Amino acid sequence: QVQLVQSGAEVKKPGASVKVSCEASGYTFIAFHIHWVRQAPGHGLEWMGQIHPNSGVTNYAQKFQGRITMTRDTSNTTVYMELNSLNSDDSAIYYCVRSFRVTYGDYWGQGTPVAVSS
Amino acid sequence: DIQMTQSPSSVSASVGDTITITCRASQGIAGRLGWYQQKAGKVPNLLIFGASRLQSGVPSRFSGSGSGTDFTLTINSLQPEDFATYYCQQADSFPFTFGQGTKLEIK
Repeated sequence: QVQLVQSGAEVKKPGASVKVSCEASGYTFIAFHIHWVRQAPGHGLEWMGQIHPNSGVTNYAQKFQGRITMTRDTSNTTVYMELNSLNSDDSAIYYCVRSFRVTYGDYWGQGTPVAVSS
Repeated sequence: DIQMTQSPSSVSASVGDTITITCRASQGIAGRLGWYQQKAGKVPNLLIFGASRLQSGVPSRFSGSGSGTDFTLTINSLQPEDFATYYCQQADSFPFTFGQGTKLEIK
């Protein structure tokens, strides 16, 4: 069965970076886009960007341009999302999402809580 | 960026009721819209894609309609497990923005 397993919770100081991993299994890794979506406490869903695991091509929301990097390792079917220059507004749960038809998220990782605090 | 505006922000209803949630896009997105359900403390779940196509495994009491800028999600005969927050997401152009969510509460 399709599974996306994310790395564990992180606590970071302002200005630091965080790198979250998402290991995919149960399907052909290179055939589906992976998106990253975050959700701040008590808030809605925010789309951050996507990567195609086959080509490595990425698209990022303008809001995160310059401080986000999505990469993939096809040998271990894992996607990574790194966010730099963290501030308290980046405290959120970060989800990786497999999509079909490019955009529609049919399988979600369990979420990785990231807390940014001095 | 395309702005997605949902209404209402919250709604109270009873088991057995029918409710409709609206999602409006700031520009035309044809039928490129998805609806998600998120229960408290849980991961979102895709209900509808392509504005009106029911995702596999989703009960038929959920339905979606619309095209262009105006879309609706209808839930017929509400069940206890339907009380959750619902989000629309446009799938037309980057960034794939979400609506702010509609919280469905038990009356």
